[in-house]
Amino acid sequence: DAKTTQPPSMDCAEGRAANLPCNHSTISGNEYVYWYRQIHSQGPQYIIHGLKNNETNEMASLIITEDRKSSTLILPHATLRDTAVYYCIVRVGDSGNTPLVFGKGTRLSVIA
Amino acid sequence: DTGVSQDPRHKITKRGQNVTFRCDPISEHNRLYWYRQTLGQGPEFLTYFQNEAQLEKSRLLSDRFSAERPKGSFSTLEIQRTEQGDSAMYLCASSHKDRYNEQFFGPGTRLTVL
Repeated sequence: DAKTTQPPSMDCAEGRAANLPCNHSTISGNEYVYWYRQIHSQGPQYIIHGLKNNETNEMASLIITEDRKSSTLILPHATLRDTAVYYCIVRVGDSGNTPLVFGKGTRLSVIA
Repeated sequence: DTGVSQDPRHKITKRGQNVTFRCDPISEHNRLYWYRQTLGQGPEFLTYFQNEAQLEKSRLLSDRFSAERPKGSFSTLEIQRTEQGDSAMYLCASSHKDRYNEQFFGPGTRLTVL
């Protein structure tokens, strides 16, 4: 079973920041937080991952709380093309030796 | 841009028939993964290969399912004696040894069992 809890859906105005929350209260010390997204009719796409420090790349920022029990994915300037299902995944290590366990994710709708 | 490719994109079959799907990973990606996704759910892990070795199989992979990656490049997933419950999107992903934490997914094969 997925170890994360996400809201089923969210809306965001185009050009505004989209903040997607994720609860992972039972996360272990060796578990990383990963985010993927799936645009309609496509396979999932990797966004970002982190252990305890905040991370940023060209797509998004990942903010992990100090107790690591929750995190937020931030899309700084959402566009219509960011409309997708976003999955928050907790996974042991970052070596890829354990499978990704997807939940139902959050369906983000970016509105013009 | 040569991403992960899957063939066919759509397959309709009758219950009891065998089907085979193919996945071509990104060049030089030595890990290859299979997932299954049903409507409204996230993808579920089935199995993965490192080169030609099958390293892990999910309990979801019943004895009717078999996956191969004979030369460590493309992979096939075969479902024997298909059932209506096998109807789903079958996704393939690959990753490079320098970045195993990032999986690149293909567009999937949608299977419909009548």
